[in-house]
Amino acid sequence: KAGVTQTPRYLIKTRGQQVTLSCSPISGHRSVSWYQQTPGQGLQFLFEYFSETQRNKGNFPGRFSGRQFSNSRSEMNVSTLELGDSALYLCASNDIGTSGRYEQYFGPGTRLTVT
Amino acid sequence: DQQVKQNSPSLSVQEGRISILNCDYTNSMFDYFLWYKKYPAEGPTFLISISSIKDKNEDGRFTVFLNKSAKHLSLHIVPSQPGDSAVYFCAASAFQAAGNKLTFGGGTRVLVKP
Repeated sequence: KAGVTQTPRYLIKTRGQQVTLSCSPISGHRSVSWYQQTPGQGLQFLFEYFSETQRNKGNFPGRFSGRQFSNSRSEMNVSTLELGDSALYLCASNDIGTSGRYEQYFGPGTRLTVT
Repeated sequence: DQQVKQNSPSLSVQEGRISILNCDYTNSMFDYFLWYKKYPAEGPTFLISISSIKDKNEDGRFTVFLNKSAKHLSLHIVPSQPGDSAVYFCAASAFQAAGNKLTFGGGTRVLVKP
């Protein structure tokens, strides 16, 4: 099976702009999660989508949004970019494992730099 | 409010010796714990997990110990190898009727010296 694909891998934007990041999960996985990784805050949960519906959300402002398509591909959007949004954005493809709990498989991430 | 904490930001160990990484949590609803390893420019990769009904889980060179009363878990890597040099994240989740959300610690950078 192919792994999790995230595009683009690197992105430079200016304050005030908006950005859209894309994630293609592992084939057959219907759940996708997004995380933000920064040096100061570590890995923080943004949101999770399952079958085109958002079913979990982290503590991020409304500028952060996402969606999922019928083929399970997901996008996240950040509007009105701030310098503090500079981070590695990680997508995880989720599937229930033998333990009965979700197992998360992460993509390589998109490195966003806001100038 | 950091619900999962890794108090040691870095750890240096000699090749062949044991690496011990520690993680503390505060949320008593957490019932499933995971360790991830991350290399630069890559996403985290799953290493090992443990359910709250167990106190130990072993997989090859990796063993995770859980002390629920202390709200503490640790990852032991024996023997440590140079390829183990990476950042290790502890993560926790609480059972939800639907969905999945992991809360991560801040990570511990491990350097294994040859």
